Amino acid sequence: QSPLTQPASVSGSPGQSITISCTGTSSDVGGYNYVSWYQQHPGKAPKLMIYDVSNRPSGVSNRFSGSKSGNTASLTISGLQAEDEADYYCSSYTSSSLKVFGGGTKLTVL
Amino acid sequence: QVQLVQSGAEVKKPGASVKISCKASGYTFTGYFMHWVRQAPGQGLEWMGWINPNTGGTNYVQKFQGWVTMTRDTSNSTAYMELPRLRSDDTAVYYCARDLCSGGSCFVMDIWGQGTTVTVSS
Repeated sequence: QSPLTQPASVSGSPGQSITISCTGTSSDVGGYNYVSWYQQHPGKAPKLMIYDVSNRPSGVSNRFSGSKSGNTASLTISGLQAEDEADYYCSSYTSSSLKVFGGGTKLTVL
Repeated sequence: QVQLVQSGAEVKKPGASVKISCKASGYTFTGYFMHWVRQAPGQGLEWMGWINPNTGGTNYVQKFQGWVTMTRDTSNSTAYMELPRLRSDDTAVYYCARDLCSGGSCFVMDIWGQGTTVTVSS
């Protein structure tokens, strides 16, 4: 069982918005603004999409945004596109000076 | 450009060891921590730890302490991870990934290697 809890799957139609949640505890998500999100297409390496809760690396579309409330972080993708179909993983720094991941969410673009 | 190139796929028998390499280019190797992450078939990502290429200092997840060894060779900008006494459940893709922050770890990985598949089978 992964330390951070994500829904197994979400889906949406092109142009719609979806949100993926990531629930942890006060020792990780809730205790630090160090949540990041990674996108992984099948057979590919993960790609950083969001870091420090809501920051986007250079080159990542502004359709991707992140937020946090209490022990739950969220990734929102607006204007869904076919290329967004992938697995998404949240991660967080922890009070034990470690990094933990969520179990991953499969996004299907209908 | 900044990139990490990992060594090729390995097939090992149970009890054997494997050493995976991760060659960095396009940036100052000693300036950024290097993380290692594994992904078992059909499973999620699992952070294993990091190495500070400047000092050689390491930080391992407890379950990997005493088993995994992360090292580096600054002369050729390469990080290594050795996995001894392999078991079938160590079958996974192993990724190296550079830390986003310079000079310390912010536990964010911005550049990833292509992954090395390690298959453990008798």
